[in-house]
Amino acid sequence: KAGVTQTPRYLIKTRGQQVTLSCSPISGHRSVSWYQQTPGQGLQFLFEYFSETQRNKGNFPGRFSGRQFSNSRSEMNVSTLELGDSALYLCASSLVDGEKGWGYTFGSGTRLTVV
Amino acid sequence: AQSVAQPEDQVNVAEGNPLTVKCTYSVSGNPYLFWYVQYPNRGLQFLLKYITGDNLVKGSYGFEAEFNKSQTSFHLKKPSALVSDSALYFCAVRGADRGSTLGRLYFGRGTQLTVWP
Repeated sequence: KAGVTQTPRYLIKTRGQQVTLSCSPISGHRSVSWYQQTPGQGLQFLFEYFSETQRNKGNFPGRFSGRQFSNSRSEMNVSTLELGDSALYLCASSLVDGEKGWGYTFGSGTRLTVV
Repeated sequence: AQSVAQPEDQVNVAEGNPLTVKCTYSVSGNPYLFWYVQYPNRGLQFLLKYITGDNLVKGSYGFEAEFNKSQTSFHLKKPSALVSDSALYFCAVRGADRGSTLGRLYFGRGTQLTVWP
């Protein structure tokens, strides 16, 4: 059974540009959530999508956005990149919707470097 | 409010010795607790979870964790450490409130485990 697939694995962008990251969850998983990992702030929740609807959102500026498609694949977008956006972005998929405590399976992440 | 604390940034043990990585949590409602491990430049790998039932939870790679409700702790343990266990370990709790926290994970800062030969 395929795991959670995140593309690309690595990205280098310039300040002011925008970037789109992709996450394909495990087949049958309908919940997808995104996290940002940095050495200073640790793992921080960005947002969660379930059946194409954003259910939860963390404390990030509006430059961070996302969406989920009918096949449960999700994308997140960061506009007007800043140096501080350099991070490992992790996607997690969940079988149902998290309410029954199912585990979350994480992808390998996308390492974004802003220069 | 939901939060997780991992009081030790680093844990060092000798191979073959038992290891413990500590975690305490704060959550409204019943806690759903998780342990993940991260190797360099990789995502998070699931080790084990506590939802309900026995307080001692067994997981992958010989790891286990003990849920203690009175102490609000969920320490990760392994009877005999391996050099290959060296990695970054994260404890997490799932939000239980309806609305903005349900379904999201709150992570501790992580504990770097080093097992020396």
